[in-house]
Amino acid sequence: SAVISQKPSRDICQRGTSLTIQCQVDSQVTMMFWYRQQPGQSLTLIATANQGSEATYESGFVIDKFPISRPNLTFSTLTVSNMSPEDSSIYLCSVEVQGSIPYEQYFGPGTRLTVT
Amino acid sequence: EDKVVQSPLSLVVHEGDTVTLNCSYEVTNFRSLLWYKQEKKAPTFLFMLTSSGIEKKSGRLSSILDKKELFSILNITATQTGDSAVYLCAPGSGSARQLTFGSGTQLTVLP
Repeated sequence: SAVISQKPSRDICQRGTSLTIQCQVDSQVTMMFWYRQQPGQSLTLIATANQGSEATYESGFVIDKFPISRPNLTFSTLTVSNMSPEDSSIYLCSVEVQGSIPYEQYFGPGTRLTVT
Repeated sequence: EDKVVQSPLSLVVHEGDTVTLNCSYEVTNFRSLLWYKQEKKAPTFLFMLTSSGIEKKSGRLSSILDKKELFSILNITATQTGDSAVYLCAPGSGSARQLTFGSGTQLTVLP
């Protein structure tokens, strides 16, 4: 497995502001993903964070709203821009751990965001 | 479009009971199916299944996959209050290695 940390663990933000969430892994991983879990809902994939290139976004998510950085194989950030109350969610990063094919995927502890 | 259906949506049992959680799926280029336990924020990895008919076990939990009928089950025997959580199944598909999550089964184990 991998040890994954996220910062901040929670935050309360005002609408119209932006928040950057950090995800740090204790080992180099090829694949990192960002998910969102809205209240009472399951997890929805926002994007795949690619090292050295632009992130790959899922339908319904755009770079202007959720810019992602992946400067190296152990770190990624997700920014939630121009926030509205609808962005209140848990944001989770996950990594794929290489042990066998197909790879197991592990999650960070999550960031609980509340937008007022 | 990929589809994952979990049942039941919620389940309330007493300690010591055995439960079976169901997951049916329709995904293109199926690769594997993962089960997670979510108590607060982060889903905790339980199992990854890739082959039909091979049971995976971890303590009181076990899971099996049927790739022909496109479903998986998660069994928990001798349930404890600490098993109370949302259980998520997530088939992975395609070369992009993405997971599609079901809505989860909320399990409540009463003392």
